[in-house]
Amino acid sequence: SQQGEEDPQALSIQEGENATMNCSYKTSINNLQWYRQNSGRGLVHLILIRSNEREKHSGRLRVTLDTSKKSSSLLITASRAADTASYFCATDAESSGAGSYQLTFGKGTKLSVIP
Amino acid sequence: GAGVSQSPRYKVAKRGQDVALRCDPISGHVSLFWYQQALGQGPEFLTYFQNEAQLDKSGLPSDRFFAERPEGSVSTLKIQRTQQEDSAVYLCASSLVIGEQFFGPGTRLTVL
Repeated sequence: SQQGEEDPQALSIQEGENATMNCSYKTSINNLQWYRQNSGRGLVHLILIRSNEREKHSGRLRVTLDTSKKSSSLLITASRAADTASYFCATDAESSGAGSYQLTFGKGTKLSVIP
Repeated sequence: GAGVSQSPRYKVAKRGQDVALRCDPISGHVSLFWYQQALGQGPEFLTYFQNEAQLDKSGLPSDRFFAERPEGSVSTLKIQRTQQEDSAVYLCASSLVIGEQFFGPGTRLTVL
């Protein structure tokens, strides 16, 4: 079952604008990660934020995490046409007793950046 | 290799056929995961291996799904007597430490 939900489900912006995507989750987590998926391709890891961190930057990406609200946001600044993709947040927490830190994904936000 | 590879990239099967999907993880990665991604959805966990041991198979949807990793490297996901609801992209991921998982390109399975 899906752990959380991304919001919005779809987002269309002009090149150069900023894009903000939100993610909510349900249970306690170890880490939260954001992945990008281009149509018909595999998932590309963007950034990981640990449960004891509140904000993290990587290039044009900024991620925030609020564990009290069980939510995260991904900001992409100065968007480019090449940023067009689906973006997923994923949380990991140990599956009880199995030692498995599988990822639980949301349904994703489909971002379209118009040149 | 440089990344996780999966084969075949596309598979079309008639309902009732058996299929086998292969995953080559990044060399040295202890952990290997299989996920199923239905159209328009996020990936969902199927099963997890630590080396050759299958430690978690709680996500496998039925006993028609079987996975193995006999030598702790290459893994195969087998689906017996495929049904239309099995149509999805099957993703494999490997990792060295808890956290970032490296995904392969996936196998798109279509069951007619």
